[in-house]
Amino acid sequence: GENVEQHPSTLSVQEGDSAVIKCTYSDSASNYFPWYKQELGKRPQLIIDIRSNVGEKKDQRIAVTLNKTAKHFSLHITETQPEDSAVYFCAASGTGNQFYFGTGTSLTVIP
Amino acid sequence: EAQVTQNPRYLITVTGKKLTVTCSQNMNHEYMSWYRQDPGLGLRQIYYSMNVEVTDKGDVPEGYKVSRKEKRNFPLILESPSPNQTSLYFCASSFKSWNSPLHFGNGTRLTVT
Repeated sequence: GENVEQHPSTLSVQEGDSAVIKCTYSDSASNYFPWYKQELGKRPQLIIDIRSNVGEKKDQRIAVTLNKTAKHFSLHITETQPEDSAVYFCAASGTGNQFYFGTGTSLTVIP
Repeated sequence: EAQVTQNPRYLITVTGKKLTVTCSQNMNHEYMSWYRQDPGLGLRQIYYSMNVEVTDKGDVPEGYKVSRKEKRNFPLILESPSPNQTSLYFCASSFKSWNSPLHFGNGTRLTVT
């Protein structure tokens, strides 16, 4: 099956700086790559996703890039704010009908 | 309001006592799935269902059962819970199995003593 690795496991940044979280995947058949944000005590919620026919996608301060050749994708958050503090999960899915999640990155934005 | 509803939110039980966690979605989604979340391990898929009467094992199915008799409901059954099943459980649904965002329920924190 698919194997998704996520780094770093913890990340601290100063407010206003950028944060980057990276994920790699093993199955070249994976073609959908969502990112989820989970605030403390709450459910994961989709913040952005990308499909394999696209290299980059942006939504305001959030962007995701995908490198299919290298089998990695990254989440970029610019101008970070304290409310960006949360755990972020990457995921990959493909023809196997399953979603495979990374182990999560705990992001802390220091005011 | 479009949502995935899980019940109960919190559950404390003893080893061996059968329990069911319910999950219901009102979005007419075909795909439903269960995950457990453990520190340092992320979200791991237990079972998933492509549609009514179609279920399949995820990565960690041992000790769990599911059923999909109706499109909106996907209960998770623990026939004989053990302490290693103490975890945070999430139900999720999506319009299609892949290439579609997952919508998560609010979670069920299960403790087995």
